[in-house]
Amino acid sequence: LAKTTQPISMDSYEGQEVNITCSHNNIATNDYITWYQQFPSQGPRFIIQGYKTKVTNEVASLFIPADRKSSTLSLPRVSLSDTAVYYCLVGDQYSGAGSYQLTFGKGTKLSVIP
Amino acid sequence: EAQVTQNPRYLITVTGKKLTVTCSQNMNHEYMSWYRQDPGLGLRQIYYSMNVEVTDKGDVPEGYKVSRKEKRNFPLILESPSPNQTSLYFCASSSGTGEVTYEQYFGPGTRLTVT
Repeated sequence: LAKTTQPISMDSYEGQEVNITCSHNNIATNDYITWYQQFPSQGPRFIIQGYKTKVTNEVASLFIPADRKSSTLSLPRVSLSDTAVYYCLVGDQYSGAGSYQLTFGKGTKLSVIP
Repeated sequence: EAQVTQNPRYLITVTGKKLTVTCSQNMNHEYMSWYRQDPGLGLRQIYYSMNVEVTDKGDVPEGYKVSRKEKRNFPLILESPSPNQTSLYFCASSSGTGEVTYEQYFGPGTRLTVT
């Protein structure tokens, strides 16, 4: 099963760009990379998903190098409301039966400082 | 409104007393899953279901049961709860299967305390 490794925590000032990198050395050919955001006592919320190269939406960008062994979530001009835990998720294919076991890592706690 | 609902939101119970946490989604999603979240351990998957009558174990299935008799409902059953099952539980659903999408919609969480 593909596992992920992220920094435990990061600090950033308001208005700065934040890049959070996730390592997933054992990513499988058919796996997608997905990032979630979680505020305290709330369920995680989907941010962005990608397979390779670069994906951008209104909230963030996701950079994935050619070997796909890592990915970087980029949050432009963060604000205090971006303070949250960010999870990198890689989908695992299970025994070829078409079932998928999804594994969250421990996440990166981002603290945005005024 | 598209949503995943869980009940109860808070529950305090005693060791050994069977309980069920319900989960329901109104988005006609195929995929549903249960997670528990503990301090320092992140989110860990308990069970998941790819479709009606199809369930499989996640990372931490011991002490839990699930069933998927209808597409919209995915209850989590603790036959004999123990204090180490004290946790925050989340149910989630997703429309995609295979590699199409992993955008999961999470419920508001159920905080369970077992004394």
